[in-house]
Amino acid sequence: LAKTTQPISMDSYEGQEVNITCSHNNIATNDYITWYQQFPSQGPRFIIQGYKTKVTNEVASLFIPADRKSSTLSLPRVSLSDTAVYYCLVNQGGKLIFGQGTELSVKP
Amino acid sequence: SAVISQKPSRDICQRGTSLTIQCQVDSQVTMMFWYRQQPGQSLTLIATANQGSEATYESGFVIDKFPISRPNLTFSTLTVSNMSPEDSSIYLCSVETGRQSDTEAFFGQGTRLTVV
Repeated sequence: LAKTTQPISMDSYEGQEVNITCSHNNIATNDYITWYQQFPSQGPRFIIQGYKTKVTNEVASLFIPADRKSSTLSLPRVSLSDTAVYYCLVNQGGKLIFGQGTELSVKP
Repeated sequence: SAVISQKPSRDICQRGTSLTIQCQVDSQVTMMFWYRQQPGQSLTLIATANQGSEATYESGFVIDKFPISRPNLTFSTLTVSNMSPEDSSIYLCSVETGRQSDTEAFFGQGTRLTVV
């Protein structure tokens, strides 16, 4: 199973762009990369998903290099409400395996 | 998308007792997933529940401890049996939409269980 590795925690300030990088060296050809956000006392929420190159939605951008062994979640102009844990996952046949996640703290 | 309701949202239970957690989805889904999230930790998959067949358990989880029912395509229950304080966790129900690899998962709010 492809394991993901990401920083345990990150700090940022309001209005800054935050980039969280995840490594997934053993990703398989058919696997997609998905990021989830979790607030305290809530279940994780889907943010963005991609296979290669760049994907952008109203919340974030996802950058995936050609070798697909890593990916970077980019959150533009973060606010205090973006303080949460962010999980990088590799979808493998529908089974989601969560890594430790990155605890993002946004300060005023 | 899918909306998931879990009951109860939280409970405090005596050790040695059992608690059944209910998960209701607003649409029919083939597979439902049960996760455990221990305090300050990430999510760990307990089992996958398919309608009409036995649940598939992940390593470290057994049916006697976590029996699962899946009576129809919109409902599932997870029972935490013979509880001990180590079972104190948040238990989450999840469903997925999409094809096998590009799926999007939806989670319930979770059930916060405290065993005393």
